[in-house]
Amino acid sequence: GAGVSQSPSNKVTEKGKDVELRCDPISGHTALYWYRQSLGQGLEFLIYFQGNSAPDKSGLPSDRFSAERTGGSVSTLTIQRTQQEDSAVYLCASSLEGVEVLGNSPLHFGNGTRLTVT
Amino acid sequence: KQEVTQIPAALSVPEGENLVLNCSFTDSAIYNLQWFRQDPGKGLTSLLLIQSSQREQTSGRLNASLDKSSGRSTLYIAASQPGDSATYLCAVSFYSGAGSYQLTFGKGTKLSVIP
Repeated sequence: GAGVSQSPSNKVTEKGKDVELRCDPISGHTALYWYRQSLGQGLEFLIYFQGNSAPDKSGLPSDRFSAERTGGSVSTLTIQRTQQEDSAVYLCASSLEGVEVLGNSPLHFGNGTRLTVT
Repeated sequence: KQEVTQIPAALSVPEGENLVLNCSFTDSAIYNLQWFRQDPGKGLTSLLLIQSSQREQTSGRLNASLDKSSGRSTLYIAASQPGDSATYLCAVSFYSGAGSYQLTFGKGTKLSVIP
């Protein structure tokens, strides 16, 4: 079956440009997460969407980062005025339910978008 | 703040050997713990999920245990194969306050199984 789809798979952009990353979660999954993975670092939490609740944006590193989820499905992560330190792999994951419901829904990850800011 | 540590950072073993990967976390108030596998250039694949009320989960040659009180989990891989070579990550889900729930990941153990 279809898994989590992310696009583009690779993005090279110049410093100062805006970029938009897209995530298509598994159909019917109510929870959606964005993480960032830098070389040699663990996964860094960015934002969490759960159903119609207000998203948890506590992991966004600066106000240049924003994300939205339309219709409870597709999500876009936007980075404005990109900086070289934004270079990383951005991973999206979805789960059938949020962790707070049963604690029994594994996360399904996409293959990520590798962002390089030159 | 929840912190997750994985030891060792890298491990190389000959094919056929049994091995154990370790994960520790600082706050025992977790909802579940998951083990993932990540292949180069790929996303993460969920291997096992242990709910906070459980002690272990098994899938094929993999067995994961959870000792919540001591903040530890182990992933046991039996009869390792070259195809098991990957980075293994553990993650814990927990209540982060103000109605929010998060997962915190360790940095992973890079496993190489030598034919």
